[in-house]
Amino acid sequence: NAGVMQNPRHLVRRRGQEARLRCSPMKGHSHVYWYRQLPEEGLKFMVYLQKENIIDESGMPKERFSAEFPKEGPSILRIQQVVRGDSAAYFCASSLDPVGKNIQYFGAGTRLSVL
Amino acid sequence: AQSVTQPDIHITVSEGASLELRCNYSYGATPYLFWYVQSPGQGLQLLLKYFSGDTLVQGIKGFEAEFKRSQSSFNLRKPSVHWSDAAEYFCAAPSGGGNKLTFGTGTQLKVEL
Repeated sequence: NAGVMQNPRHLVRRRGQEARLRCSPMKGHSHVYWYRQLPEEGLKFMVYLQKENIIDESGMPKERFSAEFPKEGPSILRIQQVVRGDSAAYFCASSLDPVGKNIQYFGAGTRLSVL
Repeated sequence: AQSVTQPDIHITVSEGASLELRCNYSYGATPYLFWYVQSPGQGLQLLLKYFSGDTLVQGIKGFEAEFKRSQSSFNLRKPSVHWSDAAEYFCAAPSGGGNKLTFGTGTQLKVEL
């Protein structure tokens, strides 16, 4: 039973380019969460999605960031026109049911470096 | 606002010594609480969780944690630390109606041989 799969593990982009981060949840999980970890900081919630729906995007920056979780395929976190401040580790988690008593399982993360 | 606080940014212990990592929460009701560990360059692995009932919970890798309502704490402990325990440890709790986890800022554990 594969865990949460994220790719790429490392991504280098120049300022102004687009970054696409992919996350495949654990088998049977339909709830996906994205978190960002800035250097020397803890994880900060960005967005919570179910299949084809954004449930909570209260942690997403208002501009340049978007997320989707289509009916088929992985969840995608998209960052347009990246800036140096976007350099961070981005983690995806999935759960069987909405978090509360249900456990979130995390992927290994995508480390984005913006030059 | 609901929050989770980890007062210690860095802790260094000798291998074989006991360990206690602090976590304080501010929630109105009894919260659900989690401890995760992050090894360098890796994702987060769940060590243990508290939902209700027995306030002393056992986790993987020999870790345990005790929920103390009177102190609003959920400290992580291990009787004898191994060099492989060097990592960053995060305390977390659901927030925002349970849609997300709020994490503490983490405690970096260094183990001296």
